[in-house]
Amino acid sequence: QLQLQESGPGLVKPSETLSLTCTVSGGSISSSTYYWGWIRQPPGKEMEWIGSISYSGSTYYNPSLKSRVTISVETSKNQFSLKLSSVTAADTTVYYCARHDRWQQTFDPWGQGTLVTVSS
Amino acid sequence: QSALTQPPSASGSPGQSVTISCTGTSSDVGGYNYVSWFQQHPGKAPKLMIYVVTKRPSGVPDRFSGSKSGNTASLTVSGLQAEDEAEYYCSSYAGSNNWVFGGGTKLTVL
Repeated sequence: QLQLQESGPGLVKPSETLSLTCTVSGGSISSSTYYWGWIRQPPGKEMEWIGSISYSGSTYYNPSLKSRVTISVETSKNQFSLKLSSVTAADTTVYYCARHDRWQQTFDPWGQGTLVTVSS
Repeated sequence: QSALTQPPSASGSPGQSVTISCTGTSSDVGGYNYVSWFQQHPGKAPKLMIYVVTKRPSGVPDRFSGSKSGNTASLTVSGLQAEDEAEYYCSSYAGSNNWVFGGGTKLTVL
C-alpha cells in the first residue's frame, strides 16, 4: 500500500525558505504514470495546489506561487521536496504531499500533512 | 485562478441523503470532466472518494456518488452513516497544467 509522509521544520522565520520532504513508501516514485504533488491549506481558506513533479524532474507550478517555489525529486531515496522562498505569515498552514495522477487529474493517496508556522 | 465554491456546512440524519455542491466556471468544472471529491476526518489525510466526476475508487462505498451539470459538480451521500461525518473538498483541473480546490464543506450527521 502506497504511503506518503511529509517531514521538515515546523517553524520558519519570515523571509527565509521553507523546506519540506515527502518520502514515498510501498511503491516506487519512478513511475511514468504519476506525478508527485504538494498541496497546502491555509486556515479558513481553500486548499491550494502548489506544484507537481515527475520522476524525471518535469515540473508544473501554481502560477500564483511560481516565483517562489522549487520542487525537486530524488529517485534514489524515493523522495521529492518542496522549497518555498521568502515566506511570510501567510504561508503558515498545513502542507500535504500526494501522488498526482496526471491521466485522471486527481490526487491519491495523500500524506498526513505537516504544519509549518512562519514566525520570528 | 479562482477557487471553487462550496457551502461551508451540510447536514442530514442517519439514513438520509445529502448533496454537496461545488461551483466553478467554464474554465474549470464546466470545461473538463476532471472533478474529484475528497473526504477528510480531523487529523487525518484527505481520502479520494470520487474522480473524473462520477468514478469511485476501489473500496469507496456506493453510497457516495458524483455528478456534474454545467459549472457545478455535486457529491451525494446516500444512506448517511455516522462515519460519513467529515470535511469534504472538491477539486478540478483548470487547464494549462493547473488545478483548483474548493474551500471544503463540513458534513454533520445529526
